[in-house]
Amino acid sequence: GAVVSQHPSRVICKSGTSVKIECRSLDFQATTMFWYRQFPKQSLMLMATSNEGSKATYEQGVEKDKFLINHASLTLSTLTVTSAHPEDSSFYICSAIRQGGLDGYTFGSGTRLTVV
Amino acid sequence: GNSVTQMEGPVTLSEEAFLTINCTYTATGYPSLFWYVQYPGEGLQLLLKATKADDKGSNKGFEATYRKETTSFHLEKGSVQVSDSAVYFCALSGSNFGNEKLTFGTGTRLTIIP
Repeated sequence: GAVVSQHPSRVICKSGTSVKIECRSLDFQATTMFWYRQFPKQSLMLMATSNEGSKATYEQGVEKDKFLINHASLTLSTLTVTSAHPEDSSFYICSAIRQGGLDGYTFGSGTRLTVV
Repeated sequence: GNSVTQMEGPVTLSEEAFLTINCTYTATGYPSLFWYVQYPGEGLQLLLKATKADDKGSNKGFEATYRKETTSFHLEKGSVQVSDSAVYFCALSGSNFGNEKLTFGTGTRLTIIP
């Protein structure tokens, strides 16, 4: 079945530094990938929709200059949290849709980001 | 716009009890409906789905029926196990399954006690 690998699973960084999170579709090509953020004991908030070869579409209220998304190939999308602050600490999850497929969304296992 | 209203948790049940987690939705057109499960520290796993009215999704003893007349997709299981303890999310996508984003409910934390 479709597998999405997300890396790293956990990361701790200092305030002011940048962190890159990778989302890879391992056995399929993903035209579209989504990035979500999940606060403790809350639902998933869609941050942006990433389409291969084009600029990401950000949801209202999400700072595009702070959360940089690059979808350079059909198997890789990256989310870079720039100039991280403690309030950026959260669980980030990506999901991908198979190109031309109707079999739904596959989620990565998530990245726990802690900014100290 | 689309929205999902999900039963608030947390829900605590004894093993072998009957489970219902309510989910209702608001959407234009004919959305697809999903239940996802999230175990501690992990991402989301698709539990079951239904793509049209009266469809029943089922998996691992869980069931949910797409009820267009009541705009509902309630999750049920006849006899829960400790291993079912997790957070459950109801979600929908637009009628075009291609690249529509998912809209999630707030999640229901389920704890099963032996």
